[in-house]
This record gives sequence, structure tokens and C-alpha cells, in this order.
Amino acid sequence: DTGVSQDPRHKITKRGQNVTFRCDPISEHNRLYWYRQTLGQGPEFLTYFQNEAQLEKSRLLSDRFSAERPKGSFSTLEIQRTEQGDSAMYLCASSPWGMDRGLGYTFGSGTRLTVV
Amino acid sequence: LAKTTQPISMDSYEGQEVNITCSHNNIATNDYITWYQQFPSQGPRFIIQGYKTKVTNEVASLFIPADRKSSTLSLPRVSLSDTAVYYCLVGAHNTDKLIFGTGTRLQVFP
Repeated sequence: DTGVSQDPRHKITKRGQNVTFRCDPISEHNRLYWYRQTLGQGPEFLTYFQNEAQLEKSRLLSDRFSAERPKGSFSTLEIQRTEQGDSAMYLCASSPWGMDRGLGYTFGSGTRLTVV
Repeated sequence: LAKTTQPISMDSYEGQEVNITCSHNNIATNDYITWYQQFPSQGPRFIIQGYKTKVTNEVASLFIPADRKSSTLSLPRVSLSDTAVYYCLVGAHNTDKLIFGTGTRLQVFP
């Protein structure tokens, strides 16, 4: 297992379209996180899963956003009716539960979304 | 989680030592200090973590004074490849999520 994989790396979509991103975490990691990062800002927490359970959602995650992790392995993040303000880098990270979080967090390279 | 304050940007030249200071006046007793590095178009990467005094690894050193209200990330003899954004995070070991600030953008010149 080489790390956290995200697909696609880049996505350009028209305003109003739906998009879905996929994250494959490190296989033995049972925690999975989604972050959003805009230019010049640090990553902002969106939501996280422990196995298949979604344990926390940020207020940033409007009702147009939905995340799933159906079998506790890969996760998807869907944005419905995209808006230009959704343009950002969407980062996924995973960590093993119970481990020192500072050492255990591994981020993917992200999916860069551009809404035109 | 304790709020952190760090310089927005720093410039350096290759071969110099770079020290980035982070203020965290409201750090709690069980909080640790963690630094991440982020290159353009990549996710953040863990650099170093400490609780008090000094921690050193193959990449950096972390200096934490006795009052723990600040910390300094030290990068020895930087190279062009150290150009990145560096984030200081403070939180408990078992915190469910990492909270990032805006970080310090380090630019290394030849």
C-alpha cells in the first residue's frame, strides 16, 4: 500500500453539475477525513469517518455535500449543483484509530475542482 | 483546540538555518505541538511533534520553552526543496481531527 489515493487529480465542471470524488485510504487505517483547501488558506475540516460511520460533519458541509464510506474502506465525496465557490482542492487523509494522530495522519495529493 | 499564530511568510537562502516560531498562548496541559509541511499541489506531510523541551529528527528540530506558549521549528541548512508552507498545530493526542491555520510560506532562494 503506497499511501492515500485520490481520484481524479483534477476536475473541471460547469456550474450546476454534480461531481464525485473518490479516496482510497491506507488499507489498515480505519479513520478517514475530508478537508477542503482554497488558495492561500490551510486545509479546512469537512468530515470524518471511523470505519463506515460518519462521526462528525463541519458546518462547511452544506446539504449539497454528501460523503460516504459504505464498507469502511474507500470513501466518496459528492457535491451536487456545484457553485463557483466550491472551487478548491479537496484533500483526503487517513489514520489508524488510537494511534498518535500527529504521526498517523497521511494525506492524499488531493482533487482540484474548478467550477466554471 | 488552541489557536496558533505564525508569520505569514519567510524568505531564506540555501544553506541557511530557518526558524519558524508559532505562538499558542492558550495551549492546554494535554496538548501536543505538531508541524506539517505542504508542497504545492500535495497534501500536508507530518514533520515533527513535541510536548516540551526539544525534539529532533532527521528533518527538523522543535524547541518548546518551559511555559509552552510558543514553539520554534528549526530547519537546518535549507535547500530549494524546502520551499513550502509550514503549519503549526496544537491539540491533544486523541483529538479527532487536525485544525490548520494559514501556515507560514517559506521561500528559499539560491
